[in-house]
Amino acid sequence: AQSVTQLGSHVSVSEGALVLLRCNYSSSVPPYLFWYVQYPNQGLQLLLKYTSAATLVKGINGFEAEFKKSETSFHLTKPSAHMSDAAEYFCAVSVRDKLIFGAGTRLAVHP
Amino acid sequence: NAGVTQTPKFQVLKTGQSMTLQCAQDMNHNSMYWYRQDPGMGLRLIYYSASEGTTDKGEVPNGYNVSRLNKREFSLRLESAAPSQTSVYFCASSEGNGGGEKLFFGSGTQLSVL
Repeated sequence: AQSVTQLGSHVSVSEGALVLLRCNYSSSVPPYLFWYVQYPNQGLQLLLKYTSAATLVKGINGFEAEFKKSETSFHLTKPSAHMSDAAEYFCAVSVRDKLIFGAGTRLAVHP
Repeated sequence: NAGVTQTPKFQVLKTGQSMTLQCAQDMNHNSMYWYRQDPGMGLRLIYYSASEGTTDKGEVPNGYNVSRLNKREFSLRLESAAPSQTSVYFCASSEGNGGGEKLFFGSGTQLSVL
């Protein structure tokens, strides 16, 4: 069965530091993979998605993620954190006509 | 652009009461979904509707019913609310359902069952 595991429920970085949010998936077929972001008191918004066209996927707000089949990973990175990046981030895998989410990682950015 | 609209935004119920959460989208999307969000558990799919006239169970359907009233509207009903149904509920929609689809989310309904 397809599933998603996000390593670390909370991540804290300094403003300007590298952001790395980890996601591992399991899938019996080539997956579609997503990262969504949720700002406080809002619904989720799509950051980026992998659909097999390219292993390095660029998203909005300077985020990118690399699909590594050998490691079954789809980690999210941003070279330099901004205070406005503080939010909860969800990795998700598409299973036929449903989207299965990970538990989420809350990112805190401090000055 | 309204996108996905959910009502109400907040609701407090007593155990055993019933209520319906409303959701409407104005993007002419075929597929609609109801998720619940609980701390440390991410979003879990309750029910979804791949197209008008069809509904299917997700991961956690027990205690809920849904109606796809038309292409725009997809409601979620709690017949007899329980404290375990205290959660934040999100409605979402997508153009299709073949995988790789972007979901558009509403802003959520915070439900407390006492």
